[in-house]
Amino acid sequence: GEDVEQSLFLSVREGDSSVINCTYTDSSSTYLYWYKQEPGAGLQLLTYIFSNMDMKQDQRLTVLLNKKDKHLSLRIADTQTGDSAIYFCAESSEGNTPLVFGKGTRLSVIA
Amino acid sequence: KAGVTQTPRYLIKTRGQQVTLSCSPISGHRSVSWYQQTPGQGLQFLFEYFSETQRNKGNFPGRFSGRQFSNSRSEMNVSTLELGDSALYLCASSLAGGGEKLFFGSGTQLSVL
Repeated sequence: GEDVEQSLFLSVREGDSSVINCTYTDSSSTYLYWYKQEPGAGLQLLTYIFSNMDMKQDQRLTVLLNKKDKHLSLRIADTQTGDSAIYFCAESSEGNTPLVFGKGTRLSVIA
Repeated sequence: KAGVTQTPRYLIKTRGQQVTLSCSPISGHRSVSWYQQTPGQGLQFLFEYFSETQRNKGNFPGRFSGRQFSNSRSEMNVSTLELGDSALYLCASSLAGGGEKLFFGSGTQLSVL
């Protein structure tokens, strides 16, 4: 079945940029999503990109999609301590199939 | 607009008991999905309901069941609880489901002793 892979941990210094990477296997992916989960909370939709796009920018967030390599990344500029959380990548396929999530990347921001 | 509401927030049960979790979707959303989140397995899809019908089902045993009411509210039930059922259960809603973007509730933390 479809699979989404992410590295488990990332540590950055406050003010630096963070880049969280994700790879997926489904070549028929339509949308790819980034979610953020803070401790004790549900998942919050951060941003998403349609599969025919290469890049999407939304304030401090930049999403890059390499469809050929099935690689997705989320760049957070000027990372703040409030960005410390778990970030999930998810992909959707054609038809009424549910989103498939990666295991999440825990981002730690060091002051 | 109110977000997705899950109740209760925390639950403690013992092995062999059963439990019912509730989810109220965002107004106007007709699809409700349920996910189980554990530290080791990440987010695993349980099932999705759309207009009171189960449209997708994950790879969980029959002890896990759900339903959706005409007002789109959903419940999930776990019978004969096992220690391994301890997890955060997340509900998410969307307008039409499938691969659409999901809006999540805060979850129900279930502990099975």
